[in-house]
This record gives sequence, C-alpha cells and structure tokens, in this order.
Amino acid sequence: GENVEQHPSTLSVQEGDSAVIKCTYSDSASNYFPWYKQELGKRPQLIIDIRSNVGEKKDQRIAVTLNKTAKHFSLHITETQPEDSAVYFCAASPKTRGSYIPTFGRGTSLIVHP
Amino acid sequence: DTGVSQDPRHKITKRGQNVTFRCDPISEHNRLYWYRQTLGQGPEFLTYFQNEAQLEKSRLLSDRFSAERPKGSFSTLEIQRTEQGDSAMYLCASSLDDHSYGYTFGSGTRLTVV
Repeated sequence: GENVEQHPSTLSVQEGDSAVIKCTYSDSASNYFPWYKQELGKRPQLIIDIRSNVGEKKDQRIAVTLNKTAKHFSLHITETQPEDSAVYFCAASPKTRGSYIPTFGRGTSLIVHP
Repeated sequence: DTGVSQDPRHKITKRGQNVTFRCDPISEHNRLYWYRQTLGQGPEFLTYFQNEAQLEKSRLLSDRFSAERPKGSFSTLEIQRTEQGDSAMYLCASSLDDHSYGYTFGSGTRLTVV
C-alpha cells in the first residue's frame, strides 16, 4: 500500500517568514495530492490540492509543488501569520476499489510566533 | 458549517462495551468514508461506501469493527468489545462521486475507553 512520509514534525517560524513542509510517497499510481489543515480540536480542512498532471499550484500565500519522478511534494506558505498555526497533513491518493483514498502523513505542527 | 455531522462528539465507555457512532454526510455526496485518528498521527483509513455499497473494508482494524450505510444516506460505525487501544478520534468524510477529490470531514467522535 501507499506510504507517506512527512517532515518536519514540528516547524516554528516568526510571523512573516516562509514555511515549507515536505512529503514523500511510495506508490507511483498515486495521482492526487491534497493538503489539509487541522486546528486544535477541529476537523481537517482541505486547503489546497494538486493532481499528477500539474507540477505546481498556487492559491494566494499557499503553493504546492509536485515532483512525480522523485515522488515528493511540498507545501509552501509565504508571509506566515499567527492564524496559520495548526497541524498540516499531506496525503497521496492511489485508486482503491474505484475511489482515490488518501493516505495521510503524520502531520506537521506549524507554530507562527507573532 | 461544512455539512458533515457526527454524533456523538464525545463518548466515554468501559472496556468491553459496544459503541456505535453515526455520520450524516452532505446530502448530495454519495461517497462516505470512515477514518481513525490517534494523537500525533494523520487520519487512518478504515472503510468507505458508495451509496449503500461498502466497497472497501479490508482496512477495518479487526473483526470487532463494522460499518453500515443501509439506505445510502447516514452511516454507523460500531466497535464491539471495546479495548483501551480503541481510544481515538473517529472521523467521517464524504465526497461527490468524482474520484473523491476534496473530502469534507466531519468534526469527529472522540472515543475514550476506560
């Protein structure tokens, strides 16, 4: 099955700095890569996703890059703000019995200091 | 509110008891997924339904776990003879029938087995 590794487990930055979270995956059949943000005690929420036919996608301060050859993808947050503090999960989705089921990484706890 | 409802939000039970959780997906979503999340980990896939059909259940953690979606709307997840290791957050998610892009998660049911 798919195996997703995520680094770092904790990331502490100053407000205004950039933050980068990196993930690798094992199943070359995965072709959908969502990123979720989970604030303390709340549900995971999709913040951005990328499909395997695209190398980069940007949405305001958030961008994701994908290197299918190397099987790694990254989340980039620029001009970080305290409200960006949360746990971020990457996921890779191989097709399982007719559906793309995300396998999640272990998460990165991002702390943005004012 | 994102539209996926889970009940109850919290459940404390004694070891050996059976528990049942309910998930109501977004009404037009025909795919429904169950995940388990333990502290410091990403969500772990358990099972999923397309309408009333359970298309993948091999990832259920043991034969004590079972799930149903009898009319293709709400779903229940039952754990029989609970163990302390079952303590976790149980998340439900739903999506449209388009390869599961962009799950919407519910707020989860936090189970504590004492």
